Amino acid sequence: QVQLQESGPGLVKPSGTLSLTCDVSGGSISSNNWWIWVRQTPQKGLEWIGQIYHSGSTDYNPSLGGRVIIAIDKPQNQFSLTLTSVTAADTAVYYCARDSTSGSYFDSWGQGTLVTVSS
Amino acid sequence: DIVMTQSPDSLALSLGERATINCKSSHSLLSSSNSRNNLTWYQQKLGQPPKVLIYWASNRESGVPDRFRGSGSGTDFTLTINSLQAEDVAVYYCQQYYSTPRTFGQGTRVEIK
Repeated sequence: QVQLQESGPGLVKPSGTLSLTCDVSGGSISSNNWWIWVRQTPQKGLEWIGQIYHSGSTDYNPSLGGRVIIAIDKPQNQFSLTLTSVTAADTAVYYCARDSTSGSYFDSWGQGTLVTVSS
Repeated sequence: DIVMTQSPDSLALSLGERATINCKSSHSLLSSSNSRNNLTWYQQKLGQPPKVLIYWASNRESGVPDRFRGSGSGTDFTLTINSLQAEDVAVYYCQQYYSTPRTFGQGTRVEIK
């Protein structure tokens, strides 16, 4: 059973850069799955940030205005999220997840990590 | 983007009653390539990540109790929880898989009266 675990700073200053890593265990990041970042706020609910395949192909949510980069590190079996020029609106619980092989749902999720944007 | 709208926002029922949650999408989720509706239902309990209940609109994920049933096609979908149990207290979300960006409904909170 694959397990995912997010890590990174819990506090980021406004206009700074948010960086999170998702460690994947119990499975290979080179498997036939997309790897996902989702965030959740009380105001906007669940928001899909983007995804990456082990080939390096990515797909991002246009609502984030080009501020997102998702990268993959095969030797470390992990993937990462970088979000630049953050504001208070980026305060959220950030989840990493795995898309099912059939591409029909997110079948594994990390526990989530709260990131607060504040000076 | 495909907009997903759930109703109601919250629901309070007695144990054993039936819960009905609706989800409407702004675009048909029926895929012409596989004739499946690209609609997933998740359950999120307090302090936990979402957990998949139903995929392809009506396929129950392994291990999900059979009191959870998904139905619908095109733009209108329903999650039914038959005989509500205490452990079903949660927020339920629909999500479309038809296109990116993937989008979620705003959630429906289910409580016990």
